[in-house]
Amino acid sequence: AQSVAQPEDQVNVAEGNPLTVKCTYSVSGNPYLFWYVQYPNRGLQFLLKYITGDNLVKGSYGFEAEFNKSQTSFHLKKPSALVSDSALYFCAVRGSTGNNRKLIWGLGTSLAVNP
Amino acid sequence: DTEVTQTPKHLVMGMTNKKSLKCEQHMGHRAMYWYKQKAKKPPELMFVYSYEKLSINESVPSRFSPECPNSSLLNLHLHALQPEDSALYLCASSPKEGLPLSYEQYFGPGTRLTVT
Repeated sequence: AQSVAQPEDQVNVAEGNPLTVKCTYSVSGNPYLFWYVQYPNRGLQFLLKYITGDNLVKGSYGFEAEFNKSQTSFHLKKPSALVSDSALYFCAVRGSTGNNRKLIWGLGTSLAVNP
Repeated sequence: DTEVTQTPKHLVMGMTNKKSLKCEQHMGHRAMYWYKQKAKKPPELMFVYSYEKLSINESVPSRFSPECPNSSLLNLHLHALQPEDSALYLCASSPKEGLPLSYEQYFGPGTRLTVT
């Protein structure tokens, strides 16, 4: 069965420090991996995705994510956090094989960046 | 234009009312989605339209009725809802649905629905 895990409900970082939001997955075949962000009282916004190729993917707002096949992980990172990065972050995955084509969502990680 | 618009932003309805949620995109996308989201939870897929045809219905109660009048518009008709249906309803679109499965989805801001 396909699944996504975001092991931390909440991440707290100080402004200017690097941040990491963790995601691990289990899918059939090669994974298609996505990160979305949801600011308070807003819809979700696409940040970045991994399909194939370079393991380090760069996305919007200075975020990047590293695909690690051996660890089945796709952690979201940013070198220097901003207070405005405070939001709810969702990791999502689809497998490239199998009958289930749905996008599987993690439970979300709430990021708080403190001034 | 990478925007998905949704109206209304907020909706309060009684359990006997009939109302509709509307969604529009002008990105030429051929897949459109309805999601339901409870506070601080991931979105739950309700329906998927692919090339204006319903391709996925996630066993949603019949009090929710989707409609896709054309490739740019998606409606969700609501009737006889229950208080537990109160949630944020999100519309999304992507270039297409199906293989490859690599397309991201673009979300609207949502409609905050309260059922009294």
